[in-house]
Amino acid sequence: NAGVTQTPKFRILKIGQSMTLQCTQDMNHNYMYWYRQDPGMGLKLIYYSVGAGITDKGEVPNGYNVSRSTTEDFPLRLELAAPSQTSVYFCASRNSQGASNEQYFGPGTRLTVT
Amino acid sequence: GESVGLHLPTLSVQEGDNSIINCAYSNSASDYFIWYKQESGKGPQFIIDIRSNMDKRQGQRVTVLLNKTVKHLSLQIAATQPGDSAVYFCAESFAAGNKLTFGGGTRVLVKP
Repeated sequence: NAGVTQTPKFRILKIGQSMTLQCTQDMNHNYMYWYRQDPGMGLKLIYYSVGAGITDKGEVPNGYNVSRSTTEDFPLRLELAAPSQTSVYFCASRNSQGASNEQYFGPGTRLTVT
Repeated sequence: GESVGLHLPTLSVQEGDNSIINCAYSNSASDYFIWYKQESGKGPQFIIDIRSNMDKRQGQRVTVLLNKTVKHLSLQIAATQPGDSAVYFCAESFAAGNKLTFGGGTRVLVKP
């Protein structure tokens, strides 16, 4: 298993541009999450999904959109990039079955908006 | 790699000593508490979790203690090794969707 993969690893955007951050997991996990991490801070939840076709807002959803058409993929869309969206973005997944509370994280995408 | 934790509180530990990392949480309704380890340039890695109806749980070289009275969580690492150098985050989990709320993090530096 590759686990959780994210692309791209790095990206520089100009203000007002749009892009999609890709996230794929091959563990058949039904729960998936998007977090952002600003320097020196913990992670903040942007959006999450409990299964294909179901998404919900997290703590900081403004400026982002998500979709979940398949179990494997959970892309994050930035429509009008702003400097405040400069951050490291992490995708995670979790199996809702079983006792473990573990979320598996991808390696992150570092986004700079200038 | 990513510059995670540039301004985080830092715990310097001698190799072989025990480490204790503390965390205050905010929501008395949280049902799980989790510790994550994050190395530079990588995503967080699960260490251990504890349910809200427990006060202690042990893993391999790690122990988590939960004090619900004062909303305090701690992670103890026994015989700290160089590979333990990282930023450590505590997180609270809510039942619906198991959303995580992360604390601010502590950097652990292991001195040889």
